[in-house]
Amino acid sequence: EAAVTQSPRNKVAVTGGKVTLSCNQTNNHNNMYWYRQDTGHGLRLIHYSYGAGSTEKGDIPDGYKASRPSQENFSLILELATPSQTSVYFCASGEGVSNERLFFGHGTKLSVL
Amino acid sequence: GDSVTQTEGPVTVSESESLIINCTYSATSIAYPNLFWYVRYPGEGLQLLLKVITAGQKGSSRGFEATYNKETTSFHLQKASVQESDSAVYYCALGASNTNKVVFGTGTRLQVLP
Repeated sequence: EAAVTQSPRNKVAVTGGKVTLSCNQTNNHNNMYWYRQDTGHGLRLIHYSYGAGSTEKGDIPDGYKASRPSQENFSLILELATPSQTSVYFCASGEGVSNERLFFGHGTKLSVL
Repeated sequence: GDSVTQTEGPVTVSESESLIINCTYSATSIAYPNLFWYVRYPGEGLQLLLKVITAGQKGSSRGFEATYNKETTSFHLQKASVQESDSAVYYCALGASNTNKVVFGTGTRLQVLP
């Protein structure tokens, strides 16, 4: 079974600070994703990646950067965190070319004060 | 754009009762969407429950069923007799075979009473 691990599980940050959320997957999937979830919204795609060295903008990329230094790792970076970025963030990896199945991490709860 | 609308929760049912969670989709940029139900059990990560990639087909898993209806653009999740262990948050989602995007609904929290 594919495993996706996120760290940290919880994070409190100050407005204007830099935040890095990390994601590691152990099943050699090419595709990785960052979503955020807020009350009243579904999972919204922030950034995704097709493989090491690639990052693509999702539906709500503003205020976020992403980094994919290796097949296993995919980071989400908030250079200047704002309270509107308080949310739960989910990382996922894609099993097949058609993305028939995504494997998700447990989520990171971020609070920006 | 592409979107998914599902039953707003929470939904509360008693054990052994039947369940339906509605899901309708709009796939304006995806000609042949794949449809999914994901579930998040308490304390666990989001995981695939079932998927259907062909219109008219039915998917099933853990006693749940969903039929891909292209005419009504629906993919409702049903179970004849729920168990307390089915308490979870359920997400309907659509994706395309030619892109890497998956669009999720808002999720429906299900609570099954013993």
